Amino acid sequence: DIVMTQSPDSLAVSLGERATINCKSSQSVLYSSNKKNSLAWFQQKPGQPPKLLIFWASSREPGVPDRFSGSGSGTDFTLTISSLQAEDVAVYYCQQYYNSPFTFGPGTKVDI
Amino acid sequence: QVQLQESGPGLLKPSETLSLTCTVSGGSIGTYYWSWIRQPPGTGLEWIGYIDYSGGTNHNPSLQSRVTFSVDTSKNQVSLKLRSVTSADTAVYYCTRGRRSGGRHDAYDIWGQGTMVTVSS
Repeated sequence: DIVMTQSPDSLAVSLGERATINCKSSQSVLYSSNKKNSLAWFQQKPGQPPKLLIFWASSREPGVPDRFSGSGSGTDFTLTISSLQAEDVAVYYCQQYYNSPFTFGPGTKVDI
Repeated sequence: QVQLQESGPGLLKPSETLSLTCTVSGGSIGTYYWSWIRQPPGTGLEWIGYIDYSGGTNHNPSLQSRVTFSVDTSKNQVSLKLRSVTSADTAVYYCTRGRRSGGRHDAYDIWGQGTMVTVSS
């Protein structure tokens, strides 16, 4: 199985400041055929299902604010919230869909 | 707008079989991967597996083949059965749609609200 790790476990950021979450996979999730990384980022608020933010490591899902961005390739990835808003308080998960079982990171809790 | 709704019993006894159904509304089963993901209370997300529109399946080996998936395109429903449940299977179970891109599995873009399943004697 591909093991996903995230850092930090939690972080507190002031409103309007940048939040950065890291995700690392135990093996590369880059498809050589299309040069795409099979890596997604989700946001989960209490009592709600996860919401897809980013797919293919850096493509923003339609309707997701542009303050959310994803970057990275191979085994190292980053989710950046450029200017944290109150509604961004949540737990953020990365997930690889390169090899089954499609594993998730343990989550990073973002607070104000 | 496609919506997913999970349904099934909320309480089971150890050794029983969990049966959940996901009803797809606002769209068709189509060429997607219909997946189940669970989340034990206060913890992270675990991928259970998927069934695609043609009936092809893939499941997490950690479930030791206790899991069965099915799809009923006439009812726009997908189903999950998990046999011989224990307290470790207590979780919120989500139905989710995986996109298909270039013949490969893409991200999970639509999720149901989830249904809580408790296993207790």
